[in-house]
Amino acid sequence: DAKTTQPTSMDCAEGRAANLPCNHSTISGNEYVYWYRQIHSQGPQYIIHGLKNNETNEMASLIITEDRKSSTLILPHATLRDTAVYYCIVRGAGANSKLTFGKGITLSVRP
Amino acid sequence: DAGVTQSPTHLIKTRGQHVTLRCSPISGHKSVSWYQQVLGQGPQFIFQYYEKEERGRGNFPDRFSARQFPNYSSELNVNALLLGDSALYLCASSLEGGFYEQYFGPGTRLTVT
Repeated sequence: DAKTTQPTSMDCAEGRAANLPCNHSTISGNEYVYWYRQIHSQGPQYIIHGLKNNETNEMASLIITEDRKSSTLILPHATLRDTAVYYCIVRGAGANSKLTFGKGITLSVRP
Repeated sequence: DAGVTQSPTHLIKTRGQHVTLRCSPISGHKSVSWYQQVLGQGPQFIFQYYEKEERGRGNFPDRFSARQFPNYSSELNVNALLLGDSALYLCASSLEGGFYEQYFGPGTRLTVT
């Protein structure tokens, strides 16, 4: 699986959009970008995934660049409960392609 | 609906001892995966079981073993505990085998002294 690079941490103000970047310059054509988050003392929670088109669900939006070498997870209106570690993961298309977690980015939402 | 449950929540063991961790998947889910999360790191894949058979194994020593029962619950066993085994052990369940849409439990915090 291709590796990802994320900043160590970032913060944003409550109510504002949080834009979390991820670089995956070695991603191959059939690999997906997944985002999970882990709130303190809980297990990881699936957020969203995409291949090349932008995706949106009730939690977030995922913007993938045209060359697919980077992506941004957008939380449109961050709340204090969004404070967590966010993991950007690249995994293959096959069902047996594992989730390989890096260190993630710590998002701190301030009041 | 109940999510993935794990027991115990916390556990303290001594070096050299053995430990058994338990996981109950979401009702209807047939696959269980185990992950180890050391402080400050992301979860690392240990095992996956589907329909009671091992479907994948990560880079962990043979001291780690697991099994899945007919009701799809699972146990993770670790023998000859080392200090470095101290970690949060996470269980994830999914409807079928593979790594699509995994739902994680809250984990078991293991401390080895």
